[in-house]
Amino acid sequence: AQSVTQLGSHVSVSEGALVLLRCNYSSSVPPYLFWYVQYPNQGLQLLLKYTTGATLVKGINGFEAEFKKSETSFHLTKPSAHMSDAAEYFCAVSSYNQGGKLIFGQGTELSVKP
Amino acid sequence: DVKVTQSSRYLVKRTGEKVFLECVQDMDHENMFWYRQDPGLGLRLIYFSYDVKMKEKGDIPEGYSVSREKKERFSLILESASTNQTSMYLCASSPSGRGPPYEQYFGPGTRLTVT
Repeated sequence: AQSVTQLGSHVSVSEGALVLLRCNYSSSVPPYLFWYVQYPNQGLQLLLKYTTGATLVKGINGFEAEFKKSETSFHLTKPSAHMSDAAEYFCAVSSYNQGGKLIFGQGTELSVKP
Repeated sequence: DVKVTQSSRYLVKRTGEKVFLECVQDMDHENMFWYRQDPGLGLRLIYFSYDVKMKEKGDIPEGYSVSREKKERFSLILESASTNQTSMYLCASSPSGRGPPYEQYFGPGTRLTVT
């Protein structure tokens, strides 16, 4: 079975500060990993995904994530937070031949202070 | 652009009512999904469908059923709504799930309140 744990249900940063949202996964097979963002009153939108190959993945809006197999982690970072980054962020895991199903973490709400 | 639309953004129903939530996608995707989203619990899969008239239970199917008569449309049915079904419901679609998983595309959600 696969699972995802997001450490910290709420993260608050100042504008211009580093954003770090933590995601750890559990999977007995090679994982495919995703980060989604949900702005208020909207559906989820893909930020980035890791499939195979390069472990540092760049996404939209200046976000990136690094797949670390030894640490079973896929943390999301952005060097400088912007007010518009305030949203809820979800990490998800899947694997080959799972019918396209994703297992989502509990979500982390990011607040950005001026 | 892929578009997934849901029939209502907000819905208020009474306990015991039969509730239909409709979802339509315009990208000819084989897979469609229904999730419910609750604070602190993330997204939990209710049902998914990998083809017309094909469906599989997700993690929390109790109290729900689904219908997929056409490829572009996936309906979630609450046979007899209860207050513990008050939640945000999200629909998603993706290309065929054989092989590597593809990105899921989400609708805007329906916030259902059962009183």
